[in-house]
Amino acid sequence: DTGVSQDPRHKITKRGQNVTFRCDPISEHNRLYWYRQTLGQGPEFLTYFQNEAQLEKSRLLSDRFSAERPKGSFSTLEIQRTEQGDSAMYLCASSPNPLAGGSGTGELFFGEGSRLTVL
Amino acid sequence: GENVEQHPSTLSVQEGDSAVIKCTYSDSASNYFPWYKQELGKRPQLIIDIRSNVGEKKDQRIAVTLNKTAKHFSLHITETQPEDSAVYFCAATYSGGGADGLTFGKGTHLIIQP
Repeated sequence: DTGVSQDPRHKITKRGQNVTFRCDPISEHNRLYWYRQTLGQGPEFLTYFQNEAQLEKSRLLSDRFSAERPKGSFSTLEIQRTEQGDSAMYLCASSPNPLAGGSGTGELFFGEGSRLTVL
Repeated sequence: GENVEQHPSTLSVQEGDSAVIKCTYSDSASNYFPWYKQELGKRPQLIIDIRSNVGEKKDQRIAVTLNKTAKHFSLHITETQPEDSAVYFCAATYSGGGADGLTFGKGTHLIIQP
């Protein structure tokens, strides 16, 4: 399968614990995005990388959240001191082309997501 | 920042009829408007997109229209089929300024009645 893969698919943790999610994008894609989706809502943008550079972070991304993409390939999203409100599906997506200048389709290729449950 | 409103939240249509989902956006600078389909338990997938230099785009049974003046865009599905049942999300963003994070609507649950 050459699509976007995420690990783990499910994570149950106790409040206050740290969790880390990993995303492996489609290999030739230089853009990588993290979104959060709760039941009955659309995906909410968290952050994105172009290669290894983190270019934008949403206001939703509190200081307990940190994302990295050290070599411009896979990315990790860490949540420290988890709270019950962090329970959600964390979606990763990658894209081959920037939208700037009208080039590329702009399509995001999503992974299956990592579902976090904080007890 | 951008705010995207989507209506209706649930839409039930008879198989073979047409379905229309509407979205409005707040940021007049937004210039890229994709639509994603998410089947139960699966990942969102792009079904069609439109840029602000185009008023309408069609792909087989699916079409999207954009009214920049009114800041709204719509998804039209004709001759609906059971496999069209899913949640549909509209989204908007401004591309070209280095910030390409999509703002999604809350979704429309489309139910196709046999």
